[in-house]
Amino acid sequence: DSGVTQTPKHLITATGQRVTLRCSPRSGDLSVYWYQQSLDQGLQFLIQYYNGEERAKGNILERFSAQQFPDLHSELNLSSLELGDSALYFCASSVGHLSSYEQYFGPGTRLTVT
Amino acid sequence: DQQVKQNSPSLSVQEGRISILNCDYTNSMFDYFLWYKKYPAEGPTFLISISSIKDKNEDGRFTVFLNKSAKHLSLHIVPSQPGDSAVYFCAASEAQAGTALIFGKGTTLSVSS
Repeated sequence: DSGVTQTPKHLITATGQRVTLRCSPRSGDLSVYWYQQSLDQGLQFLIQYYNGEERAKGNILERFSAQQFPDLHSELNLSSLELGDSALYFCASSVGHLSSYEQYFGPGTRLTVT
Repeated sequence: DQQVKQNSPSLSVQEGRISILNCDYTNSMFDYFLWYKKYPAEGPTFLISISSIKDKNEDGRFTVFLNKSAKHLSLHIVPSQPGDSAVYFCAASEAQAGTALIFGKGTTLSVSS
C-alpha cells in the first residue's frame, strides 16, 4: 500500500459526459501528479500540483482540468469525454516538487467511455 | 516523438538467471533516471534510480547501468525470481530544471520457475 488513495476504482460513462477523479496523497506529501496510461502507451504525464499551485503541465487536453485543495487532495476533471479518453488514470504524490523526489502511485482509476 | 524508448515489449527469463531490461533516451539534458515496477491492478512502485553523475547504482539484486554517450540505461536483476514478473517502466527527467518524469512504454518481464 503506497498510502495514495484514488476513487473511484472503475468508472464507466458515455461520450460527451463529464467525470471527476479524486486523489488523496500520502500524509506529508505536498506534490500531486496525474498520469494517463492508454492501451499500448506508457505513463503520460498530465499535470502536477505542489502545495495547491500548478507546478508543471504535460500533454493535458483543454477538456481536462485539475486542482489541488487546501487539504492537499486533488481532483482531475474530464469533460466532453471521447472514446479515446478510455484509459487508466494514476495519481502520484511526493514530498517535494522536483522529479528527484520519489513518487508514490495510487492504484489508479480505470475509465471506460462507451 | 518518444524521448524514452523501451524497445522490447516483453522478456522471458528462467528463475535464477539474469534479467536485463533496456532503455534508450534521446534528450541529452536528462540527468535523472528511474525504474518503476508495476503489478496488475496496482500502481507503479519505485525500484531504483541513478543520477547522470554516476554510471552504476546497485540495490540488492537490482543494478542500473547508465551509458551517457550511448544515451542508454539498463536494469539488471540477479538472480531473477518469479515474484519479479511485472511490467518495468524506465523514466527520465531534467531533475535540476524541475521537469516532469518522461516514461517509456514498459517491458513485461516473465520469470518462470
